[in-house]
Amino acid sequence: GDSVTQMEGPVTLSEEAFLTINCTYTATGYPSLFWYVQYPGEGLQLLLKATKADDKGSNKGFEATYRKETTSFHLEKGSVQVSDSAVYFCALSDGGSNYKLTFGKGTLLTVNP
Amino acid sequence: EPEVTQTPSHQVTQMGQEVILRCVPISNHLYFYWYRQILGQKVEFLVSFYNNEISEKSEIFDDQFSVERPDGSNFTLKIRSTKLEDSAMYFCASSGNRDRGYTFGSGTRLTVV
Repeated sequence: GDSVTQMEGPVTLSEEAFLTINCTYTATGYPSLFWYVQYPGEGLQLLLKATKADDKGSNKGFEATYRKETTSFHLEKGSVQVSDSAVYFCALSDGGSNYKLTFGKGTLLTVNP
Repeated sequence: EPEVTQTPSHQVTQMGQEVILRCVPISNHLYFYWYRQILGQKVEFLVSFYNNEISEKSEIFDDQFSVERPDGSNFTLKIRSTKLEDSAMYFCASSGNRDRGYTFGSGTRLTVV
């Protein structure tokens, strides 16, 4: 079945550091790929998405490129802020009609001032 | 921006009791979902609902769970006889289009004591 593997955390960075959170996937067909963010005490928010190979999703300074050849969708940000502290989830949506999401385990990011 | 609304935000119940978690999806969405997140663990798919019936369910979604869309706007998850291990954050989500991802509600934290 489909699966998502993402870098285990926690990740602790200083403000303005470069962030990479690795994500790889296994899927049949051609999934869409997503990053969701969960701020403390809140629900899941869509951060960015990519629907086909070589697409780059971007939002709020974060970006991720859909790499079919390496089955990866790594999340990057050039300069993190304290307000980026959250749990980040990589997810895929299968090609089936139900659009079910399969999530990775999540990576806790803490950014210190 | 349209939201998915979940109530209550937190529910405490005794083991063996029935609970109903409520959700109001985005009005023009067609696909509805329940996911859960046990504390510190990954977000897990429970069930998807389309055209007034279950379209897919996970092995977690056993006979103690049921879903309904009783009045065309609400979408409920009923747990018939709660167990301690049902304690989790339950997220409702709706989707109109796979490529746009989901909109999640802010979740209901269920605590079974």
